[in-house]
Amino acid sequence: QITLKESGPTVVKPTETLTLTCSFSGFSLTTAQVVVGWVRQPPGKAPEWLSFIYGTDDKRYTPSLRSRLSISKDTSKNQVVLTMTNLDPVDTATYYCVHKTTSLRDDYWGQGTLVTVSS
Amino acid sequence: IVLTQSPATLSLSPGERATLSCRASHSVSSFLAWYQQKPGQPPRLLIYGASNRATGIPARFSGSGSGTDFTLTISSLEPEDSAVYYCHHRVTWPWTFGQGTKVDIK
Repeated sequence: QITLKESGPTVVKPTETLTLTCSFSGFSLTTAQVVVGWVRQPPGKAPEWLSFIYGTDDKRYTPSLRSRLSISKDTSKNQVVLTMTNLDPVDTATYYCVHKTTSLRDDYWGQGTLVTVSS
Repeated sequence: IVLTQSPATLSLSPGERATLSCRASHSVSSFLAWYQQKPGQPPRLLIYGASNRATGIPARFSGSGSGTDFTLTISSLEPEDSAVYYCHHRVTWPWTFGQGTKVDIK
């Protein structure tokens, strides 16, 4: 059974750095066919892909946020960490951890964590 | 690639047919998926590869299209189909979502 769970702060001050951890089970992030990534969704808006990492450690970042994002994995702990710098209130959103493979049918989401950026 | 969904809102009665549209700014071949999202829940995959139902998805949901024009059809609406529906492509990075169509059941 594949599960993913997000953890991290619920409130962050403007200009601070956000660190989110995705803890997963039921699969290994060790091959080029497997990715774990992050999607965020501001209240009442559409989801937005931020970043993902392959099992080979290859990474992708959405161009508009590339300078503020960093993604990494710890295979031994089955975790993926996303860091976003210089937070702004517009970054307030539910952040989801997502697992996909090269098979289009494989699609697994965590329950999400709401992060509010406020002073 | 920008995905544009229409209409923004659809208000229909149980048993009616719902037709949701998604148009891509550039061809996404068949790398188009549809998601259903209810309040407080993550998106749920309904259709992948433009026309394939995901595991456990009822047969009343069907997808069609290729290239730039896609359709999600719900053949006979059930009360539990009230949700926001998003199309999504993963043909090239960045992967994007449409802005969503809200389906209200009268």
